[in-house]
This record gives sequence, structure tokens and C-alpha cells, in this order.
Amino acid sequence: DGGITQSPKYLFRKEGQNVTLSCEQNLNHDAMYWYRQDPGQGLRLIYYSQIVNDFQKGDIAEGYSVSREKKESFPLTVTSAQKNPTAFYLCASSIGSGTAYEQYFGPGTRLTVT
Amino acid sequence: DQQVKQNSPSLSVQEGRISILNCDYTNSMFDYFLWYKKYPAEGPTFLISISSIKDKNEDGRFTVFLNKSAKHLSLHIVPSQPGDSAVYFCAVPRQGGKLIFGQGTELSVKP
Repeated sequence: DGGITQSPKYLFRKEGQNVTLSCEQNLNHDAMYWYRQDPGQGLRLIYYSQIVNDFQKGDIAEGYSVSREKKESFPLTVTSAQKNPTAFYLCASSIGSGTAYEQYFGPGTRLTVT
Repeated sequence: DQQVKQNSPSLSVQEGRISILNCDYTNSMFDYFLWYKKYPAEGPTFLISISSIKDKNEDGRFTVFLNKSAKHLSLHIVPSQPGDSAVYFCAVPRQGGKLIFGQGTELSVKP
């Protein structure tokens, strides 16, 4: 059945290391998104991609990088430049990038950096 | 600045009673609104939406009301059930399909 997969569920890293979070969807959606959630805050947009081989920065892109080489995949790299990387990361996708398209979310990856 | 605000971080109601979750927004040009529900350690799931051409949208136990003049929307859950206990986010889609989320309200429904 169709959906969005994020792996792993929990990830631990040492400070100073880059880490890549996986996001795969088999919904045939064009648009994909990365958000992070911190306690007591809503979801904040990191990067988004409206189509393959294209992506744009969201509101908090500093310290992150992405790629969109395939329609199904939108990996997020948390670099050592990200000052507060510990958070819950959520990937989402939608059919298109218009304003009325519902976004479907993956189960999330909780990243802990010590 | 926060364009979508949920000023109540938490709400506790008794099973069977009504839950009312509130959301305020700042931009009168916003024309579509969504509510998402999120359980701990899971991704949000879409719950219900409303277009600005309506003032009410109902889906089973869930009803969303929109007051454009007050830039306010509310989600009503009647009757509330323990399984409704979750964090509820209101969100507004913007150009490029981006969603702007409120801070969320944690609903606890007690048996």
C-alpha cells in the first residue's frame, strides 16, 4: 500500500558529524517537504521540492542540505553547521504544490545529537 | 512573526463532552485552512479543511468554523473520545504548497 517511509525511527549521532535522513514515497507525488518539530512549537519548514532536480529553502534551511534526484526520494542531510540538530524530523509529500493540496506525512525520525 | 497562532498549548475535556480548539491568523488573504492531528512519535494526519468561501465544514464528529472578520477558526469535536487525545495543529497552505503551522494544542480526553 502507498505511503511515506522515513528511516530510521531513532538516530543518534555525535556532535560534528553529518547525518542523512531518508524519506521515500510511493504515492507518485510531485512535491516533497522536510519539517522539524521542537517541543512546544509547530512544524517548521526546512526545504521543499516541487519537482525532481529542483528544491527550495524553507524557513530554517541553514545547516541542512537536500537532493531530489528521483521522484520517490528526498533525503535530508543535517550538517555539523546546524547549531541545534536534536529534533523530530518529518517528511511530507503532496500531489502537487498548489495551495489546496493536502500533505501526507511520514512517521518521522527523532535525531539526537550529543 | 507567527502568522498562525494557537494560543492554548493544552486542553483537557471529559469523554462525551465537546472539545473546542482555536486558531488565529494574521493575514486576511489566507483562503484555505487545514487541521492536522498528531500522536506522539508519529507524523501528522490530515483531519479536516475549510475554504474561505464557507464558514463551516462538518465531517462526522469534527466541525470546523471560520470567522473571517475575526481571522479565527475553531475545531469542534463532539462527542470527544479518549482516542481523540493528540496534538492538533491548524495550518495554512502558501505559495509552493508550503504549510504554515500553528504551535499546536495538546488535547487530553479523560474517561
